[in-house]
Amino acid sequence: QKEVEQNSGPLSVPEGAIASLNCTYSDRGSQSFFWYRQYSGKSPELIMSIYSNGDKEDGRFTAQLNKASQYVSLLIRDSQPSDSATYLCAVKRSWGKLQFGAGTQVVVTP
Amino acid sequence: EAGVTQFPSHSVIEKGQTVTLRCDPISGHDNLYWYRRVMGKEIKFLLHFVKESKQDESGMPNNRFLAERTGGTYSTLKVQPAELEDSGVYFCASSQENTGELFFGEGSRLTVL
Repeated sequence: QKEVEQNSGPLSVPEGAIASLNCTYSDRGSQSFFWYRQYSGKSPELIMSIYSNGDKEDGRFTAQLNKASQYVSLLIRDSQPSDSATYLCAVKRSWGKLQFGAGTQVVVTP
Repeated sequence: EAGVTQFPSHSVIEKGQTVTLRCDPISGHDNLYWYRRVMGKEIKFLLHFVKESKQDESGMPNNRFLAERTGGTYSTLKVQPAELEDSGVYFCASSQENTGELFFGEGSRLTVL
């Protein structure tokens, strides 16, 4: 079992719809979780961090965390073509080291 | 403010040759990380510097990889001698605190032929 698992996609989403991305992790002691967005050929960019159970909203993005189920998700509302990218789920290990999932490719179709 | 910069952006070398990758972190960031993404796999941790000290080098694949951060500013990652399986994109990231909120460079793509 991988430490951080994501569906690779691609996840095809019509423009204006909600994109729902899922991530599960194996280490029950994990406390800090992140979503990074990576456009093709570019650097990963932090878009959300979440540390407590529940929802955290930032603009069109909502991160959800359920530590009991070891599950993190990211919702993108009103999806735009500019949201087409690979979304990386990451779990913090010691000293800020991150364990990444393989990423979910999102394609927003006009 | 300049972001994390990496050089070269792309390097093509023959098996057995040496390559040195450089990373300039954001000014003032004590934490510097190297990661690698091999084709089709997830981004994997290589090592972590706090200032000039190696805090964690548990992800370094083998002793063909040598990382340095002299003076606690820029860092270099040398691969000597390079093997085919070393091909991939090498990312550098930095942060002020070790919270996991990292700023990444655009990566150095290494192709070993």
